[in-house]
Amino acid sequence: DSGVTQTPKHLITATGQRVTLRCSPRSGDLSVYWYQQSLDQGLQFLIQYYNGEERAKGNILERFSAQQFPDLHSELNLSSLELGDSALYFCASSVVASGGYEQFFGPGTRLTVL
Amino acid sequence: EDQVTQSPEALRLQEGESSSLNCSYTVSGLRGLFWYRQDPGKGPEFLFTLYSAGEEKEKERLKATLTKKESFLHITAPKPEDSATYLCAVHKDEDYGQNFVFGPGTRLSVLP
Repeated sequence: DSGVTQTPKHLITATGQRVTLRCSPRSGDLSVYWYQQSLDQGLQFLIQYYNGEERAKGNILERFSAQQFPDLHSELNLSSLELGDSALYFCASSVVASGGYEQFFGPGTRLTVL
Repeated sequence: EDQVTQSPEALRLQEGESSSLNCSYTVSGLRGLFWYRQDPGKGPEFLFTLYSAGEEKEKERLKATLTKKESFLHITAPKPEDSATYLCAVHKDEDYGQNFVFGPGTRLSVLP
């Protein structure tokens, strides 16, 4: 157990719909990262938040948005869903430890768009 | 363009048969290189971070090394429980934030 929690575990929805994925980082970690993992694309970095502020953007579509709240949990909003959005969505939090930078992933949310 | 490749794509070993996985990268502004283990349907599990050429880190049967253009994950006397997909990722500092570029992974199967 990494200490990063994600809800829901599974989500099944239809094309055109909107969903919200939720992530709580490990206690004390200020950074949250969102990733998408599909069979054909591998693990793709989407966006990073640090203490409520957006820090870096990767391959995130305009239909997707995220935010980090004062209690440090984060939500990833996916709208106008398409079949190709079906994937595993992971969040991660990070810490700088004695051996260097470490990143811890949650268990993921499996999104199926029908 | 930043790129991370891994080889082989898949590897089958007999229990006890040592081998190495390769991660090659071409990125600008490399800050570090990460190795993760991922079991099917689960989130990646952090293994190592390497920062400079010549650096080595070990954990149980795994040892990671780094050169200027590639990293190796050496698996010594593997056991069936080492079966997983091993991912490498480069960590880049992009101005204000951070960014990670992952390789496609190597699927390792260790047969008893």
